[in-house]
Amino acid sequence: KAGVTQTPRYLIKTRGQQVTLSCSPISGHRSVSWYQQTPGQGLQFLFEYFSETQRNKGNFPGRFSGRQFSNSRSEMNVSTLELGDSALYLCASSLEGPEQFFGPGTRLTVL
Amino acid sequence: AQSVTQLDSQVPVFEEAPVELRCNYSSSVSVYLFWYVQYPNQGLQLLLKYLSGSTLVKGINGFEAEFNKSQTSFHLRKPSVHISDTAEYFCAVSESSSGATNKLIFGTGTLLAVQP
Repeated sequence: KAGVTQTPRYLIKTRGQQVTLSCSPISGHRSVSWYQQTPGQGLQFLFEYFSETQRNKGNFPGRFSGRQFSNSRSEMNVSTLELGDSALYLCASSLEGPEQFFGPGTRLTVL
Repeated sequence: AQSVTQLDSQVPVFEEAPVELRCNYSSSVSVYLFWYVQYPNQGLQLLLKYLSGSTLVKGINGFEAEFNKSQTSFHLRKPSVHISDTAEYFCAVSESSSGATNKLIFGTGTLLAVQP
C-alpha cells in the first residue's frame, strides 16, 4: 500500500505570493492533518480534515487555509507569503484512530 | 491543553551503548502517547505508541518505551544503539477522550548522535 505522498517536494516563492500544497493520504484513510515544522517553533499543528470537514484548527493566521476533497486528498493554501512561512510542511493521514502516518513533506522557501 | 517536554536537545552516545531519551507531558485529560523519528530531509516515522493496556510498549528497530502515569513520563529506550539510529526523535501526545481529533502536540525533539 502506498504511503502518504506530498507534492511538490520543494518550492521557492517570493514574499506576497500565494502557494498551494497537495497531500494524498494512504488509500482508505479519511483523516488528513497538516503540520508546520520550523527550527524556531518546532512542529505545530495547522489543521485536520475528516470527510471533507475541518475538524480542528491550530493557532495560525487566516492566511493559512485548507480543504479536503471527496477522495480524501487535501490541499493547503498560504496566501500573502511572509519570510517566516519558510518551513517544512508535513501532511499526515489516519484511518480512524489516533495513529498518524506522515508524508515526506514539502519544503517551502520564501525569498 | 497538553504540552510535551523533551529536556535533552541532544544526546551523544557511543555505538552499542544503551540510550534513554526522556519525555514528560502535561495534560488535564487522558492522552495517547507517541514517539516519532525523523531522518534528515524526511518526514516523521512512527516508532511506537501507547494507546491503552500494558505500559511497556515495544516499537520498531528495537526501541521500547514505558508509560508512567504518576510521573507523566514516556521515556524511550534502546539497549544497544547503532550508527543508523542517528536521527531526531520526537515525543508527541494527543487527547484520547471520545470525540477528540487527531491533533498531535510535539516536544521540541532530541537529536540522538551515535558515535563509532
